[in-house]
Amino acid sequence: GNSVTQMEGPVTLSEEAFLTINCTYTATGYPSLFWYVQYPGEGLQLLLKATKADDKGSNKGFEATYRKETTSFHLEKGSVQVSDSAVYFCALHTVYNFNKFYFGSGTKLNVKP
Amino acid sequence: DTGVSQNPRHKITKRGQNVTFRCDPISEHNRLYWYRQTLGQGPEFLTYFQNEAQLEKSRLLSDRFSAERPKGSFSTLEIQRTEQGDSAMYLCASSYGPGQGDVRTDTQYFGPGTRLTVL
Repeated sequence: GNSVTQMEGPVTLSEEAFLTINCTYTATGYPSLFWYVQYPGEGLQLLLKATKADDKGSNKGFEATYRKETTSFHLEKGSVQVSDSAVYFCALHTVYNFNKFYFGSGTKLNVKP
Repeated sequence: DTGVSQNPRHKITKRGQNVTFRCDPISEHNRLYWYRQTLGQGPEFLTYFQNEAQLEKSRLLSDRFSAERPKGSFSTLEIQRTEQGDSAMYLCASSYGPGQGDVRTDTQYFGPGTRLTVL
């Protein structure tokens, strides 16, 4: 089956610290991988994506590389800001299941000034 | 703003009542999805429409749940005889897919959700 596992939060960092949020997956076929972010009181927003092995998705200073050999898609940012405080969801998508997404449970990030 | 919109944003109801939520997708999107998100969890897939056709329903969707997309534009999700376990955030997402058999990646855009509280 398809599933996504994320590291549990909350993750608390000081501003300008390095961020890693781990994500691993199991999937049938060749999934695409996504990171979504949810700010307080808002809906999920697409942060970045990668559609095949070794692709790197990047946006707003965040990066994640699709690693097929380790079935991972870890989210990284070199220097976090207070405005990055949110819940981050790793997700996979496969066209073999009516395009549905499978989400991880989310990781809450708190960035302190 | 031309994003996905959902109404109402919040709904409080008593156990046993019926509720209906509406989702207006991005106008050119032909695919529409409903998800449910409970506290501390990621969204779980409920159902999927390609235009007006409902192509997939999760086993999470009991007989008390029904979704429609009559003209291939907006969609409604109705819950009959609500139970306390139905309390959750109900999310709608839309995307554009050129064809049912198209294998290209489908990026879904989410609405703000409707938070349901069943007392």
